[in-house]
Amino acid sequence: GENVEQHPSTLSVQEGDSAVIKCTYSDSASNYFPWYKQELGKRPQLIIDIRSNVGEKKDQRIAVTLNKTAKHFSLHITETQPEDSAVYFCAASNNNAGNMLTFGGGTRLMVKP
Amino acid sequence: SAVISQKPSRDICQRGTSLTIQCQVDSQVTMMFWYRQQPGQSLTLIATANQGSEATYESGFVIDKFPISRPNLTFSTLTVSNMSPEDSSIYLCSVELAARRTGELFFGEGSRLTVL
Repeated sequence: GENVEQHPSTLSVQEGDSAVIKCTYSDSASNYFPWYKQELGKRPQLIIDIRSNVGEKKDQRIAVTLNKTAKHFSLHITETQPEDSAVYFCAASNNNAGNMLTFGGGTRLMVKP
Repeated sequence: SAVISQKPSRDICQRGTSLTIQCQVDSQVTMMFWYRQQPGQSLTLIATANQGSEATYESGFVIDKFPISRPNLTFSTLTVSNMSPEDSSIYLCSVELAARRTGELFFGEGSRLTVL
């Protein structure tokens, strides 16, 4: 089955700096790569996703890149703000085989004011 | 999006007992899943809840320990049987909405179980 590795496990940045979180996956059949943000005590919520036919996607201060050959994808947050502080999870799935997501281990992002 | 209601939101249970968690969605759903999130950890898929048939379990999870029902498209239950302290976790219902079919999963608020 799919295995998703995520790094780093914790990340501390100064407000206004950029943050980058990286993930690798093992199953070359995976074709959908979402990123979820989970604030303390809350449910995970989708912030951005990318499919295997696209190399990069951007939504305001967040962007995701995908390298299918190397089987890795990354989340980039620019101009970080204290409200970006949360745990971020990458995930992968094969939409042609049931849609269940396999999650990375998570990154705890702390943005210091 | 949709409203995904889970009950109970939290409970404290005694070792050896069983607890059933309910998940109700207010929109049509294609896929339903149950995930477990142990304290400070990631989300691990327990099983896919299949409408009208037995759930499909992931490696390490068995029907006797985590029986699942899905009698219709928008409702499912997960039972945690014969609980031990190791079962203390947040259990999350997750769905793909029929109106979207993008692969995006929406999560319920979770049910936080503490087993003493």
